[in-house]
Amino acid sequence: DAKTTQPPSMDCAEGRAANLPCNHSTISGNEYVYWYRQIHSQGPQYIIHGLKNNETNEMASLIITEDRKSSTLILPHATLRDTAVYYCIVRLDGGTSYGKLTFGQGTILTVHP
Amino acid sequence: DSGVTQTPKHLITATGQRVTLRCSPRSGDLSVYWYQQSLDQGLQFLIQYYNGEERAKGNILERFSAQQFPDLHSELNLSSLELGDSALYFCASSVDGGLGNEQFFGPGTRLTVL
Repeated sequence: DAKTTQPPSMDCAEGRAANLPCNHSTISGNEYVYWYRQIHSQGPQYIIHGLKNNETNEMASLIITEDRKSSTLILPHATLRDTAVYYCIVRLDGGTSYGKLTFGQGTILTVHP
Repeated sequence: DSGVTQTPKHLITATGQRVTLRCSPRSGDLSVYWYQQSLDQGLQFLIQYYNGEERAKGNILERFSAQQFPDLHSELNLSSLELGDSALYFCASSVDGGLGNEQFFGPGTRLTVL
């Protein structure tokens, strides 16, 4: 799986959009970008994933650059409950990796009142 | 609530002992994954089972073993425990291991080895 690079920490004001970047310059054509988050010591929570098109769901939007070497997770209106560690993961479908998720260090997002 | 249950929530034991962690996947999910989260190693994939068969293996120690039963629940067995095995152990489940099938994580079991 391609390696990802994320800033170790970010701050955001409550009610504002939180934009979390991720670099994955070695991503290959059949690797997807996934985002998970972990609030305190709870189990990680799936947020969104995509291949090359931008994706949106009820939680967030995912913007993937045209060359697919980087992406941005957008939380449109951050709340205090969005304070968490956010993980950007690139993974293959199938093969020997199957469903394995490789977590990096992630970005600690702190949302301030 | 993800629908994945793990027992026990907390476990305190001594070095050299053996423990069993249990996981019940979401209804309908055939794939179960085990992850370990320690302070120095972060979240690491241990092993995956699909419909009772081992599907993928990560950096799982030989002292650790797992299995998935016909009712699809899974157990992670940790033996000859060392201080360094103290960690949060998460179980996750998905419909299968394929793409687009997001993994749902349980609340974890916190293991403390004294």
